[in-house]
Amino acid sequence: NAGVTQTPKFQVLKTGQSMTLQCAQDMNHEYMSWYRQDPGMGLRLIHYSVGAGITDQGEVPNGYNVSRSTTEDFPLRLLSAAPSQTSVYFCASSYSGQVFSGNTIYFGEGSWLTVV
Amino acid sequence: AQKVTQAQTEISVVEKEDVTLDCVYETRDTTYYLFWYKQPPSGELVFLIRRNSFDEQNEISGRYSWNFQKSTSSFNFTITASQVVDSAVYFCALSGNDYKLSFGAGTTVTVRA
Repeated sequence: NAGVTQTPKFQVLKTGQSMTLQCAQDMNHEYMSWYRQDPGMGLRLIHYSVGAGITDQGEVPNGYNVSRSTTEDFPLRLLSAAPSQTSVYFCASSYSGQVFSGNTIYFGEGSWLTVV
Repeated sequence: AQKVTQAQTEISVVEKEDVTLDCVYETRDTTYYLFWYKQPPSGELVFLIRRNSFDEQNEISGRYSWNFQKSTSSFNFTITASQVVDSAVYFCALSGNDYKLSFGAGTTVTVRA
């Protein structure tokens, strides 16, 4: 019963480097999303996906790319890391993102990223 | 647009005191869900409660209780007889007629022995 798995848990990047944060879920959830958490700002939505092949932007999408080639995986790519992207990143999934379902949203354990 | 406001940044109490966390929300949707999450020092997000907009009944779960009032757009959370293990950051969140969960900035609760 893995739930939502994020890797890596910790990463240090140099400015300008690229990297991918991996997120996988084994619950056959349609909806997956990425959030970043910064002090005093709560969690902010970066990108989300309502199913394989479908992605959309959230509140703070700049500097990040996503794709959803399978139901299970939703990787987040930083193309050219900047110090402003130093943050804690959370992946989340649920059976459906629509409010009428009210399904539980499952979060991964977080990925701590530092850009120097 | 929807918005969640947690006006209290930090709360510090002595063990066994009650703690009430305020949450005020804004949304144009008539159907929505409200959530509370706990983030202990270890960093993971722990789901506490989900409440839909049609259910204004207050809820009690052990030492936790929630007061939902649509008239004031508030969904407050009380910890009764607080314990050191309750020390964490608590987030209120809102999901409306879209695929987005909006979080408040969080309230840091410190319970001193």
